[in-house]
Amino acid sequence: DVKVTQSSRYLVKRTGEKVFLECVQDMDHENMFWYRQDPGLGLRLIYFSYDVKMKEKGDIPEGYSVSREKKERFSLILESASTNQTSMYLCATLTGGGNTIYFGEGSWLTVV
Amino acid sequence: KNEVEQSPQNLTAQEGEFITINCSYSVGISALHWLQQHPGGGIVSLFMLSSGKKKHGRLIATINIQEKHSSLHITASHPRDSAVYICAVYDLNYGGSQGNLIFGKGTKLSVKP
Repeated sequence: DVKVTQSSRYLVKRTGEKVFLECVQDMDHENMFWYRQDPGLGLRLIYFSYDVKMKEKGDIPEGYSVSREKKERFSLILESASTNQTSMYLCATLTGGGNTIYFGEGSWLTVV
Repeated sequence: KNEVEQSPQNLTAQEGEFITINCSYSVGISALHWLQQHPGGGIVSLFMLSSGKKKHGRLIATINIQEKHSSLHITASHPRDSAVYICAVYDLNYGGSQGNLIFGKGTKLSVKP
């Protein structure tokens, strides 16, 4: 059974804290993505990666960074969390050509 | 980006009704996905279409490439179908060298018993 696992489902962090969101996939897919989802705005692309040690900015990269040291793991980092980063974060993998997409369960982050 | 438009935004139906959700897009695509998101967050893929029609149980998805339009139909709707349905298109010219997905904002479906 295919799995995309996000390590934290619910987090509460303070403003200014460094936050790590981890995503691990077991399908040997090259393409991995981080999105945030907000009411009325839908899914917005933060960062993506097509290969190990490769990363590209999506539509809303400000305030975020990523790390992909191993093929199966793609981490999203909030260097200094702010209240406007309170959101639901989703990790996904995508097969070549966009044929199949798998999402993690999502991580609900509240920054206070 | 408004390249993917879904309608309606919200839909309330009675159990047993036939439901249609529409998706229009303005970019050239190689694939279109219909996704389902239940309360609590997780998103699952229902269909991937590149042409024609697909059926899975009570769900039917169609795509018209020339008109850049897709529909998701639910026959004999049930309260467990209540969810957000999201249309996403794969655009080879968006994002990096391999293309990327562009999402609609979703249709919130509520099926009453």
